[in-house]
Amino acid sequence: AQSVTQLGSHVSVSEGALVLLRCNYSSSVPPYLFWYVQYPNQGLQLLLKYTSAATLVKGINDFEAEFKKSETSFHLTKPSAHMSDAAEYFCAVSEANYGQNFVFGPGTRLSVLP
Amino acid sequence: SQTIHQWPATLVQPVGSPLSLECTVEGTSNPNLYWYRQAAGRGLQLLFYSVGIGQISSEVPQNLSASRPQDRQFILSSKKLLLSDSGFYLCAWTRGGVGGELFFGEGSRLTVL
Repeated sequence: AQSVTQLGSHVSVSEGALVLLRCNYSSSVPPYLFWYVQYPNQGLQLLLKYTSAATLVKGINDFEAEFKKSETSFHLTKPSAHMSDAAEYFCAVSEANYGQNFVFGPGTRLSVLP
Repeated sequence: SQTIHQWPATLVQPVGSPLSLECTVEGTSNPNLYWYRQAAGRGLQLLFYSVGIGQISSEVPQNLSASRPQDRQFILSSKKLLLSDSGFYLCAWTRGGVGGELFFGEGSRLTVL
């Protein structure tokens, strides 16, 4: 069965600092992996996705994530945090042989300090 | 382009009252449709998904139900709301096949008093 863990329910960084949000997954088959962002009282927006092409995936707003099969990880990074990046971030996985079943991590709330 | 809309955006209902949340997708055909719930400070819980008209799969036993009367319409209902039904409800869709991402609606905030 699939599962997703996100280390750190709340992460704080200073404006301009590196953002690192951690995601580890469990999957018995090659997974598809996603990062979503949610602003207060809004739906989730896709930041980026991994679908078995390049292991380093670039997304919107300078976010990127690297798929590491040996570590079963898909950590999200951004070189320089902006105040507008403050939001909730969710990692999700779906399995290649059952693509319609998405499992979400519990989320990480990112705070950006001035 | 494809769009997804859900309404109402905000709803305050007394315990024991009925519920109807509606979701519509435009610009695509035969989408897979989903209802998720977010309780305060918690992650996403899958409630129902549908791969076609009249085909509903329930992930969590509860007093909620879902229906898909048309290809691009997905409705979440309850006959009698409980306090525990309060939360943020999200409709989402994806294309058939594997590897596609979920596209989410704007969400509906339900408060049961």
